[in-house]
Amino acid sequence: TQLLEQSPQFLSIQEGENLTVYCNSSSVFSSLQWYRQEPGEGPVLLVTVVTGGEVKKLKRLTFQFGDARKDSSLHITAAQPGDTGLYLCAGGFSNYQLIWGAGTKLIIKP
Amino acid sequence: NAGVMQNPRHLVRRRGQEARLRCSPMKGHSHVYWYRQLPEEGLKFMVYLQKENIIDESGMPKERFSAEFPKEGPSILRIQQVVRGDSAAYFCASSINRDEAFFGQGTRLTVV
Repeated sequence: TQLLEQSPQFLSIQEGENLTVYCNSSSVFSSLQWYRQEPGEGPVLLVTVVTGGEVKKLKRLTFQFGDARKDSSLHITAAQPGDTGLYLCAGGFSNYQLIWGAGTKLIIKP
Repeated sequence: NAGVMQNPRHLVRRRGQEARLRCSPMKGHSHVYWYRQLPEEGLKFMVYLQKENIIDESGMPKERFSAEFPKEGPSILRIQQVVRGDSAAYFCASSINRDEAFFGQGTRLTVV
């Protein structure tokens, strides 16, 4: 069974703090995507990483793909209330399939 | 280029009725995925279709659920004889290259 574990499942922090969300698996992925979902909406793609060790930055968000392409992290610097949401990672294989993590629910308190 | 369109956004059905959920993928996208999401949970894969073909339906219950993606028109997820446990948000996503998926806003099904 292919699993993608996200941690923590829930995180509530104050505005201005930094945080890291992790996505781990025993499977090797051809790509890994991070999505953000707000209540009542569908997930929105934030970034795709494809190369082991790759780092991508999106303003205050930094995404890293593990060297072995089995894990990934999302780091948010100086979190803002607008960052509140459900963050989902999804691992892609060379075929069509995407394997999804259960998500990290993030709340940033003003 | 319009995004993935799902309708209806909200659907209420009585137990035993049929629910039909529609998904129009982004222009040029031939891959469609259906997911189900329960409150406070992540997405659960149901079925993957390409035009007129079901590629993988391993996540879809064998009974009462069916999906199609005809040559013309939207993809349809059909749930027959709905039960309370079918209440969930159903999301459709489409992709052009099999890796990156773009999601619709979902259909929230409530079975009463």
